[in-house]
Amino acid sequence: NAGVTQTPKFRVLKTGQSMTLLCAQDMNHEYMYWYRQDPGMGLRLIHYSVGEGTTAKGEVPDGYNVSRLKKQNFLLGLESAAPSQTSVYFCASSWGAASYNEQFFGPGTRLTVL
Amino acid sequence: LAKTTQPISMDSYEGQEVNITCSHNNIATNDYITWYQQFPSQGPRFIIQGYKTKVTNEVASLFIPADRKSSTLSLPRVSLSDTAVYYCLVGDGGGYNKLIFGAGTRLAVHP
Repeated sequence: NAGVTQTPKFRVLKTGQSMTLLCAQDMNHEYMYWYRQDPGMGLRLIHYSVGEGTTAKGEVPDGYNVSRLKKQNFLLGLESAAPSQTSVYFCASSWGAASYNEQFFGPGTRLTVL
Repeated sequence: LAKTTQPISMDSYEGQEVNITCSHNNIATNDYITWYQQFPSQGPRFIIQGYKTKVTNEVASLFIPADRKSSTLSLPRVSLSDTAVYYCLVGDGGGYNKLIFGAGTRLAVHP
């Protein structure tokens, strides 16, 4: 099993450009999450999904959109990138609710917006 | 919103036992306490989870007093490879789908 994979690993964007980050999991997990991590800080939840076809906002959803068309994939989109979105993005998945179930994290995507 | 407070950093030496205490005064009745470990350039990794009293696995122990307002992660006989950031998490208070990550405790293990 590959676990949780993220594509791409690195990306540099110019302000105003758009991009999509892909997260895939092969553990048949219902729940998936997108976090961002800034230097010296913990992870902040952007959006999450409790099942195929569902999405919900986390702590810092502004400027991002997500889609969960297939159970194994969770996409994070930036419509018009801003320098403030320079960060490391982590995807995670869990079998059930995060409070009671282990979250499995991907290796991260390092995004720089110039 | 449940909030946790941990020391920003700790130092230890190989072979010592390390105890990291987390304060969570507003923990909700149904919240579990979960600890994650993060190495540089990697995603966090689950270490241990508990609700009350004591939980032990092959990696660590978790001590939770009766009032559940704090918890202590205990790492026995640390090695250099235990150098990492450790996060204490509880639920968000409004539901059980989300966890709130604080800044974590940066543990440095020295030879």
